[in-house]
Amino acid sequence: DAGVIQSPRHEVTEMGQEVTLRCKPISGHDYLFWYRQTMMRGLELLIYFNNNVPIDDSGMPEDRFSAKMPNASFSTLKIQPSEPRDSAVYFCASRRTGDNYGYTFGSGTRLTVV
Amino acid sequence: QKEVEQDPGPLSVPEGAIVSLNCTYSNSAFQYFMWYRQYSRKGPELLMYTYSSGNKEDGRFTAQVDKSSKYISLFIRDSQPSDSATYLCAMSGPTGGFKTIFGAGTRLFVKA
Repeated sequence: DAGVIQSPRHEVTEMGQEVTLRCKPISGHDYLFWYRQTMMRGLELLIYFNNNVPIDDSGMPEDRFSAKMPNASFSTLKIQPSEPRDSAVYFCASRRTGDNYGYTFGSGTRLTVV
Repeated sequence: QKEVEQDPGPLSVPEGAIVSLNCTYSNSAFQYFMWYRQYSRKGPELLMYTYSSGNKEDGRFTAQVDKSSKYISLFIRDSQPSDSATYLCAMSGPTGGFKTIFGAGTRLFVKA
């Protein structure tokens, strides 16, 4: 398996622009998670899906952030409009039901908003 | 107070040293205790996990959980320069659908 695939690897955008991050989970994994990592706050859970349905979005910082999972093999995290404080590494992770002990992470998208 | 506390370091040790990494937590409902390793500019990868209390050994790595003290540890024996990375503790439990909570991560440098 190719693992969790994220794109793009790097994104530099201007404040106010829309940013879309993409994730392909491991086939057969029915949970998908979006995390954000910064030096100050560490790894923060933004939202997670089970069987393509959003279960908990309490970590989404504000209405500028939205996430979708239209099918089992694809998810997007969108920021509109982007702000410099959104600069971080965004990770997608997936797991199967019953694998309560760990996720497989993607390589992340490093977002810089200038 | 954060649910999971971890000293961010950095921790610098000579090659061959025994390394001890630790986390404390506040939620007694946690059942699964994990350690992830994250190399620079990479995603975290699961290193070891333990269910409930006790010890688990895998090669040079030993994970310990003390639920009575709400304290977990990762020991690395005969540390190698290739062990240089950030180590994140993580925990999950039945509340919140086994949502995993991560520590801040400890940066480890092993000097050759």
